[in-house]
Amino acid sequence: GAGVSQSPSNKVTEKGKDVELRCDPISGHTALYWYRQSLGQGLEFLIYFQGNSAPDKSGLPSDRFSAERTGGSVSTLTIQRTQQEDSAVYLCASSLDLEEGSTGELFFGEGSRLTVL
Amino acid sequence: AQSVTQLGSHVSVSEGALVLLRCNYSSSVPPYLFWYVQYPNQGLQLLLKYTSAATLVKGINGFEAEFKKSETSFHLTKPSAHMSDAAEYFCAVIETGANNLFFGTGTRLTVIP
Repeated sequence: GAGVSQSPSNKVTEKGKDVELRCDPISGHTALYWYRQSLGQGLEFLIYFQGNSAPDKSGLPSDRFSAERTGGSVSTLTIQRTQQEDSAVYLCASSLDLEEGSTGELFFGEGSRLTVL
Repeated sequence: AQSVTQLGSHVSVSEGALVLLRCNYSSSVPPYLFWYVQYPNQGLQLLLKYTSAATLVKGINGFEAEFKKSETSFHLTKPSAHMSDAAEYFCAVIETGANNLFFGTGTRLTVIP
């Protein structure tokens, strides 16, 4: 597609439920990132995928968080047993890899706003 | 290790006044540096980037930033603020050879008519 697409744009859920957030990166971008944006917290890195390499999961805040990237394209971020502190905007971004000539510019989707009641 | 510090979570300027948003970085190797802007209810978009070419970088909407290695700074400026500049601005750093972009906590710019 023309840009990074995220769905749903808004999600309200009850504490304890599982949620899935989807990201469609720009076609041809091999790198995909998930960030979390909380009020007053800036952007918190969650996870990074690059091609077929093992993802960098160093930013995931707990084992309730996981992410997959199927076929090197679409990614799903899953939050199990949601807590109120998980409420935030979850941003996905994609880019070319540095080895492909990228200078690190990320292209962001508009985010998925998660509210846990 | 790399990190970014943005001084001032909120900055207010009058319309037509100078905009100065501060960013300092720490990096053990030469970095690439970025400013992103986020308008209300939108995703982030690239404003400008420094990638070891000219130290004074010009971006969109009249913004520019200067890379000062001696001060480890990459402050964002605009000579004359416009109402449409009201947004949140994020400074970010990536080390050459690395793949992860680290963001500052952001600065919310308010433009007063």
